[in-house]
Formats: sequence, structure tokens, C-alpha cells
Amino acid sequence: QSVLTQPPSVSGAPGQRVTIACTGTSSNIGAGAAVHWYQQLPGTAPKLLIYGDTNRPSGIPDRFSGSKSGTSASLTITGLQAEDEADYYCQSYGSKLEVFGTGTKVTVL
Amino acid sequence: EVQLVQSGAEVKKPGESLKISCKGSGYSFGTYWIEWVRQMPGKGLEWMGLIYPGDSDTRYSPSFQGQVTLSADKSISTAYLQWSSLKAADTATYYCARRPGSGTGPHHFFGMDVWGQGTTVIVSS
Repeated sequence: QSVLTQPPSVSGAPGQRVTIACTGTSSNIGAGAAVHWYQQLPGTAPKLLIYGDTNRPSGIPDRFSGSKSGTSASLTITGLQAEDEADYYCQSYGSKLEVFGTGTKVTVL
Repeated sequence: EVQLVQSGAEVKKPGESLKISCKGSGYSFGTYWIEWVRQMPGKGLEWMGLIYPGDSDTRYSPSFQGQVTLSADKSISTAYLQWSSLKAADTATYYCARRPGSGTGPHHFFGMDVWGQGTTVIVSS
């Protein structure tokens, strides 16, 4: 069902910067639909990390940032920390459907 | 505190029916959309559909249309996801989540900002 493509995994050492790409189509991200990002720690429910392409909900550290260009979006974690090890999903809307990305596992080395 | 609390884990046999719940508190339940998301074991998130408890306007993903039924009771701030005949392939964790919106539809600019803790459903003979 996923029509948003993410890399299966990314990794980085503590303190490094990692970026997760989310590639959509002209029917969703390319049509201007907002992109949201969720963090899912092991064994827990997803948590909203970024909404509306670039906005952080209250309580989300500013080391998490989002961007969008064309048919793609990105989540960047600046100053990677051990507690950031989790699965990350992008999500958008198109053709009357909400769609999730395939998910990316972030490993802190 | 705004929260969504889901019903507990279920173990069912193929062919049985099931209704799981998602109870909201700390906000006006009837003025936010409730979305349902499936996560099969070891897999990613899949959007199932959503319901507006204010008037029970319901929209389904084509992948789940006819397979499940969404409903809501605004008077007790509870949304439901139900199956009439479970299959082994329905084994998964199911999450409800809140989305800002109005009677005309969810506000897609905002993400799903509050999530339930998940309900694990195991279907096995």
C-alpha cells in the first residue's frame, strides 16, 4: 500500500547528522500535500515528530527538522543521540488517501 | 491530559467477530477525526481509514473497504474498529490516532498528533 519510499536503514555515530529521504509522486508530495514524520521507539506507538513539512509539535527537540522539495521530503536529525534509535515514517496525502512511507530504521553506532 | 486509550489485547479464532475500542479524554472528542492504522508483525504502518465522531462521516482505504467497519459513539467519547469474520492475516497491532479537522474533512496540514497505545489482535486456530 505504501507509495512513499524511504531507505530501509540509516546509521550514524552520536553527535553526527543523519538525513532520511521520503520520495513520493506528483499525486501526493508533488501536488503540495503536507508531509509529516513519526518516530516509533521499539514496542511503542508512533509519535508525531514533524507536521506540515517543517513544524515541530511542542516538546520535540530542535535537533529534528523537516524539509520538502518537489516530490520528496527529508527528516534531518542533527546531533544524533542514543535515544534517537527508532523507526521513522513519513506520511502524506493524495488521491483521497493517507499514505505512509516504507519506514527507516535509524541505528546509533 | 489529552489521551486515547485503547482496549486490551485479543486472541481470536478465524471466523470470529471482534470490536476494539479507542476512548478519548482531555479534549472535545466530537471535533477531531479518529484515524486507524494497522501494523503487521515486523512491518510498517498502513492507513485503514478515519471517522469524524461528530457526525460519523467515515472514509476507508480501498485496501480495507469492506473488510472492517469504523464507528463512533460521541456520547462516550469512543471510536470502534470491528471485524465480522477475522482471518489469520488480520493478526497485527492496531492504533487509533487523532487528527485535527472539521465536519468537512481532516486538516491534512496537521499530522496525527495523539496516538493510542495500540491493540494487538492475534487470530489463530
